[in-house]
Amino acid sequence: AQSVTQLDSQVPVFEEAPVELRCNYSSSVSVYLFWYVQYPNQGLQLLLKYLSGSTLVKGINGFEAEFNKSQTSFHLRKPSVHISDTAEYFCAAGNAGGTSYGKLTFGQGTILTVHP
Amino acid sequence: ETGVTQSPTHLIKTRGQQVTLRCSSQSGHNTVSWYQQALGQGPQFIFQYYREEENGRGNFPPRFSGLQFPNYSSELNVNALELDDSALYLCASSPPWGNTGELFFGEGSRLTVL
Repeated sequence: AQSVTQLDSQVPVFEEAPVELRCNYSSSVSVYLFWYVQYPNQGLQLLLKYLSGSTLVKGINGFEAEFNKSQTSFHLRKPSVHISDTAEYFCAAGNAGGTSYGKLTFGQGTILTVHP
Repeated sequence: ETGVTQSPTHLIKTRGQQVTLRCSSQSGHNTVSWYQQALGQGPQFIFQYYREEENGRGNFPPRFSGLQFPNYSSELNVNALELDDSALYLCASSPPWGNTGELFFGEGSRLTVL
């Protein structure tokens, strides 16, 4: 069984400031990890993913995340946010390998609000 | 390339009724997954369809059922609707190549049960 915990339900930040959205996971098997973004009244859009290899992954819109196996974390970062980054962000985990792809466990979401 | 499309976008039902939600997968994608996203929550996996067969199910009762058609489109059916079924229902498709777990989501069908 897997679980994903997003440690902050809301993160307010000023424009051009850095931001970190925190995500911890637990799993008894190897996992793939994802960050998705959801704008109001829309579906989810993939920001980035970790499958294997380099623990620092870069995604769209200037976001990056670091996989830390020892701390079971996958925190999302952006060095300078824009107003347009205001949205809800979801961390998700899926079992690596087998036929489990497509069956993701999502966290509760973090609402990022960027203030001018 | 056409993305994942869902219909209807919004609907209102009363408790005890039945509902059918529809999803067209992205071109070339043969796997469809359905998720329920209650207000203020993350999406929860309902089930997945691959080659017209159910391929895994989350913790949802049997009154949640589905179908996948030869063109890979899919339906989610919910019988005996309850108030707690009010949610955004998301369909996601994934391609047959590789095993990346990446999902491509539609914009969802928002169901309100009164």
